[in-house]
Amino acid sequence: GAVVSQHPSRVICKSGTSVKIECRSLDFQATTMFWYRQFPKQSLMLMATSNEGSKATYEQGVEKDKFLINHASLTLSTLTVTSAHPEDSSFYICSASEGARSGGYTFGSGTRLTVV
Amino acid sequence: DQQVKQNSPSLSVQEGRISILNCDYTNSMFDYFLWYKKYPAEGPTFLISISSIKDKNEDGRFTVFLNKSAKHLSLHIVPSQPGDSAVYFCAALQRAQKLVFGQGTRLTINP
Repeated sequence: GAVVSQHPSRVICKSGTSVKIECRSLDFQATTMFWYRQFPKQSLMLMATSNEGSKATYEQGVEKDKFLINHASLTLSTLTVTSAHPEDSSFYICSASEGARSGGYTFGSGTRLTVV
Repeated sequence: DQQVKQNSPSLSVQEGRISILNCDYTNSMFDYFLWYKKYPAEGPTFLISISSIKDKNEDGRFTVFLNKSAKHLSLHIVPSQPGDSAVYFCAALQRAQKLVFGQGTRLTINP
């Protein structure tokens, strides 16, 4: 089946630094990738939708200058958390879609970001 | 505005019995519903889905029921096994666009 690789799985960074998270579709071309954030004991909140070669579409309340998304190819999307603060500490998950096919959403294994 | 709601944060079931996880939604334009299973520090994995034109879909031990008039769906797991212990999310799609997730229900299967 479809596999999405997310890296790193865990990262600790200092306040003020930037962190890049990669999301790769390993055996399919992902026309669309999604980035989610999950707070403890809460739902997965969609942050943004990225389409290859175009600007990401951010959900309301998500700062696009803080969470930079790049979808440069059909197999790679990156999320960069810029000038990280402790409140950015969270679990970030990417998802890749093989197209407009229900159930065709594959999730990465997630990245636990801790900002100290 | 929570369009997909899972009102039970947790559920505990005896091994071998039936687990029933519930989900309600408010947006009548949703046309596809999915259930995902998630372990701590991992991404969700797809379990089962149902189209809005159906009222039941079954796959092995997992059955999803959809009641459109009540805007309610449920996931039945029978018989429940210890490996089923995880957080279960229901999610909804509108015209194959972005997934909208519920808050999740933590299922614990007791031996």
